[in-house]
Amino acid sequence: SYVLTQPPSVSVAPGQTARITCGGNNIGSKSVHWYQQKPGQAPVLVVYDDSDRPSGIPERFSGSNSGNTATLTISRVEAGDEADYYCQVWDSSSDLQFGGGTKLTVL
Amino acid sequence: EVQLVESGGGLVQPGGSLRLSCAASGFTFSSYEMNWVRQAPGKGLEWVSYISSSGSTIYYADSVKGRFTISRDNAKNSLYLQMNSLRAEDTAVYYCARGATGWDGYNYFDYWGQGTLVTVSS
Repeated sequence: SYVLTQPPSVSVAPGQTARITCGGNNIGSKSVHWYQQKPGQAPVLVVYDDSDRPSGIPERFSGSNSGNTATLTISRVEAGDEADYYCQVWDSSSDLQFGGGTKLTVL
Repeated sequence: EVQLVESGGGLVQPGGSLRLSCAASGFTFSSYEMNWVRQAPGKGLEWVSYISSSGSTIYYADSVKGRFTISRDNAKNSLYLQMNSLRAEDTAVYYCARGATGWDGYNYFDYWGQGTLVTVSS
C-alpha cells in the first residue's frame, strides 16, 4: 500500500513560517491535498491540487509538491493556525490515503 | 451554502448493525461524488468509501469491504452508509464529505459534515 509520512509535530513562533512535509514514493506524480482540523471540529480543506487555495483560505497557506515530498507552508503563523494538518492523495494501488497528521503548535 | 448533516450514530454491540445518513443541501447533490471518512478517538483520518454521482461506481477501504455498503438517493439529496458486523475498531466519528476532482482525476474533499459518533462496545 502507498504510505504518506508526516512529522508528528511542528512548532513555530508567531509570525514565523511553518513547513509541514508529506513524504511518499514519487508523490510529485500525484495530486496532493491538505486539510486543517482544529479540536472538536471537522477537517477543512486548505490546499488542493498541490498548491491551490479554496476561497476563504488566507494567502498565508501555500503548497508545493515535487519528487518524494509535498510541503504545506504557512507564512506569518498566527495562534489560530494551531491545529492538526493532514495530507491526502489517491493511489491506484491503495485507493485514498491520508498522512498520519501533523500537530502544529504555535509557541 | 453547502451543508452536510450526518445522523444515525450511536452505541451498538459488536456484531451489530447501524445505518448512517447524510443530508445534503446548498448544492446540486446529484452532480457530486460523495465519500465517508472516519476518525477513531485520538487518531487520524481514514477514508471509508466513495460513491460516484450516479451511484454506479463504488469503492471501499479494505478495512470495511464486505461489511459496509454505501448508497445514495439523489431524489432525497441523501447519502447512506449501512454498517454490518461492527467491530470495536469501527468506533469513530464518521464524516460525510463532498468529492471534488483533482488534476490527477481522483477525489479530494471540499466540504465536510460535522460528523456522527459510532461507538461499538458491549
